[in-house]
Amino acid sequence: AQTVTQSQPEMSVQEAETVTLSCTYDTSESDYYLFWYKQPPSRQMILVIRQEAYKQQNATENRFSVNFQKAAKSFSLKISDSQLGDAAMYFCAYREETSGSRLTFGEGTQLTVNP
Amino acid sequence: DGGITQSPKYLFRKEGQNVTLSCEQNLNHDAMYWYRQDPGQGLRLIYYSQIVNDFQKGDIAEGYSVSREKKESFPLTVTSAQKNPTAFYLCASAFTGGSQPQHFGDGTRLSIL
Repeated sequence: AQTVTQSQPEMSVQEAETVTLSCTYDTSESDYYLFWYKQPPSRQMILVIRQEAYKQQNATENRFSVNFQKAAKSFSLKISDSQLGDAAMYFCAYREETSGSRLTFGEGTQLTVNP
Repeated sequence: DGGITQSPKYLFRKEGQNVTLSCEQNLNHDAMYWYRQDPGQGLRLIYYSQIVNDFQKGDIAEGYSVSREKKESFPLTVTSAQKNPTAFYLCASAFTGGSQPQHFGDGTRLSIL
């Protein structure tokens, strides 16, 4: 079974600074997709960014970008110019092309943003 | 507005009782999913369905049952066989294929009385 590992249970960052959240995954597949979701205290799951494994270019969405290293099976999330509203639990998720769209989630990283 | 509606927001179960969590979507998504989230942990897949009248077990299906009689609806029943049902339950839906992301409801918190 595929596994997703987030080795940082907690991270903190100063407002306006940059922080990187780590994620590694284990797979023997070549076609798959990776996602970062944000879960604020409201418990809503909000999509932050997605990456297709066949694309070499790293995905970016405004202040959020990823560093996708396919050979290393690494998918880190960089948050630039951190804002107080970025404080949340962040989940990395993996999905195979042939898995019926089911996601495998990591354990999450709790991000604190200090004013 | 399109979205996913989960109800109720809070639910209490007595010992030996079955309870059903509702999930409805109007996004015309083919696939629907149920996840369980325990405190401080990630999401674990209970059941999922890619088409009407068909569904598959996820990683922790024991003690749960589902049905998919309509495209828009995917109710989850927590049976008395589930000995530790206290958790936060999230329903999601998605178009299948490609990099289509899953969209989530607001969740139901189930507690034991």
